[in-house]
Amino acid sequence: SQQGEEDPQALSIQEGENATMNCSYKTSINNLQWYRQNSGRGLVHLILIRSNEREKHSGRLRVTLDTSKKSSSLLITASRAADTASYFCATANSGNTPLVFGKGTRLSVIA
Amino acid sequence: EAQVTQNPRYLITVTGKKLTVTCSQNMNHEYMSWYRQDPGLGLRQIYYSMNVEVTDKGDVPEGYKVSRKEKRNFPLILESPSPNQTSLYFCASSLSKMSNQPQHFGDGTRLSIL
Repeated sequence: SQQGEEDPQALSIQEGENATMNCSYKTSINNLQWYRQNSGRGLVHLILIRSNEREKHSGRLRVTLDTSKKSSSLLITASRAADTASYFCATANSGNTPLVFGKGTRLSVIA
Repeated sequence: EAQVTQNPRYLITVTGKKLTVTCSQNMNHEYMSWYRQDPGLGLRQIYYSMNVEVTDKGDVPEGYKVSRKEKRNFPLILESPSPNQTSLYFCASSLSKMSNQPQHFGDGTRLSIL
């Protein structure tokens, strides 16, 4: 029951540049979350945005949500080599349904 | 330190030999879940538990069993493992089943079934 789909699948940028990843989903959602996964490690929660919110910030992260287009974007500003990881969006149709994860975007930040 | 602990981290075993992957969390979370992660397929949910003695199937439950006898533990059991269960497995927990709760993940268990 794949819901979110990240785009691009892979992204390679230079340190200091901004990285933008997108997530599209099919049905209406209650909220959308973004997670990061470093190689060989578990996923780490980054940020949650509710369906009635349009934008949210956390440090160098900026998440937007456009429910009319059923899409979200994650922007990492002034990227660092340590941002190299896979990034996943996760959605839930309602407050009571389990989160469904996308396949992720693999970000490489080159020093 | 708040954490989800899985054991073992790595296991190579043979077809048909029963195995258990343990998962324990120290955050008093009600909700726990198992996922498998495969290249090109992303993260898929195997089973989840909303509380003690309450478990439910996820998207890919075939070949797996779980139990939730205590709040902190949620073991994943492969009664008769097969090569198609070779994968990277993650346990996760959250305060409740409500989807507005962030999930906390363990560091994963890499299983190879020969």
